[in-house]
Amino acid sequence: DAGVIQSPRHEVTEMGQEVTLRCKPISGHNSLFWYRQTMMRGLELLIYFNNNVPIDDSGMPEDRFSAKMPNASFSTLKIQPSEPRDSAVYFCASSFRAPLANEQFFGPGTRLTVL
Amino acid sequence: GIQVEQSPPDLILQEGANSTLRCNFSDSVNNLQWFHQNPWGQLINLFYIPSGTKQNGRLSATTVATERYSLLYISSSQTTDSGVYFCAVGSGGGNKLTFGTGTQLKVEL
Repeated sequence: DAGVIQSPRHEVTEMGQEVTLRCKPISGHNSLFWYRQTMMRGLELLIYFNNNVPIDDSGMPEDRFSAKMPNASFSTLKIQPSEPRDSAVYFCASSFRAPLANEQFFGPGTRLTVL
Repeated sequence: GIQVEQSPPDLILQEGANSTLRCNFSDSVNNLQWFHQNPWGQLINLFYIPSGTKQNGRLSATTVATERYSLLYISSSQTTDSGVYFCAVGSGGGNKLTFGTGTQLKVEL
């Protein structure tokens, strides 16, 4: 299996621009997660989906952030407009949701820099 | 929400030494994972261990769920073990993970 795939790996943009991060989960997994890692806040969950349905978006910082999962093999995280404080590494993870079988696997991350 | 504490925050070892990293959590869990974040930023799965003991080569882990802690053992450390070790737990009906602040490990020659 190819693992979780994220694109782009690096993104540099200017304040005010729209940013779209993409994720392809592991085939057969039915849960997908978006996390953000910063020096100040560590690794924190932004939003997660079960069977393509958003379940908990309480970690999304504000309305500038939105996430979609149109099908089982693709998800996007969009920031519009972007701000310098959004600079971070964004990770996507996936798992199979079942008792005692819900190990999460992470993608390589997207390093976002907003100038 | 659930609280996750890791200790020590930093650790420097000589190559060949052994170490124990600890993870304490504040509530019952149905998921506990240990990760190694390498110097390139990748999160590598080490163990999925909501309870019990597992071993993988020089690494082993034990979770005592009733006492709300987990331990990661590294034996005969190597320079490639350097990086940050994270404990992450999941609880309740959801499937999300809450991460600890990590242990920064440096293994020197």
